[in-house]
Amino acid sequence: RKEVEQDPGPFNVPEGATVAFNCTYSNSASQSFFWYRQDCRKEPKLLMSVYSSGNEDGRFTAQLNRASQYISLLIRDSKLSDSATYLCVGSGGNTDKLIFGTGTRLQVFP
Amino acid sequence: DADVTQTPRNRITKTGKRIMLECSQTKGHDRMYWYRQDPGLGLRLIYYSFDVKDINKGEISDGYSVSRQAQAKFSLSLESAIPNQTALYFCATSDRTSGDTDTQYFGPGTRLTVL
Repeated sequence: RKEVEQDPGPFNVPEGATVAFNCTYSNSASQSFFWYRQDCRKEPKLLMSVYSSGNEDGRFTAQLNRASQYISLLIRDSKLSDSATYLCVGSGGNTDKLIFGTGTRLQVFP
Repeated sequence: DADVTQTPRNRITKTGKRIMLECSQTKGHDRMYWYRQDPGLGLRLIYYSFDVKDINKGEISDGYSVSRQAQAKFSLSLESAIPNQTALYFCATSDRTSGDTDTQYFGPGTRLTVL
């Protein structure tokens, strides 16, 4: 079983839609979680960190559920420019390394 | 100018050749990483370095070696390239001294093809 698992998609949604991605992790010692965004053939870029209390940045909301070991990303009012692959990332417990999921692809259409 | 740069950006080589991929950063970060990305497998850690004298193997280090020449430079070598090392390679950095210790910043990637 992979340490960080996510649905590869693709999720095809119309502009203006709300879309949610979930991700599960297996290492209960993981302390930090992130969502990265990766455009085709480009480098991953940090989208947002994920905290137990949840955090929101504009149209994006991230949540962490430690009891069930999953994190989520909610995108409201989807834009064409949101089309990308979203990588779920967890820290490797005490090892100061990041473990990346394989990514969920989002395609927003007009 | 980009904070994390990688050279070359694209490389096509033949089986058995020695290849070096270079990474430089101007962020002043102490930690540097090399990953490869393959379709369906995501990013996998090859090697990482927490400072100039600290080198660690990652998940898939076989067939690779690294050199941390300075805090700002971290090179990845393929001593004898093989076709299954065809992939997109990323360098990344992070800063132990900041409050954001786990956030990693990636270079633009090197697309390597081994024929």
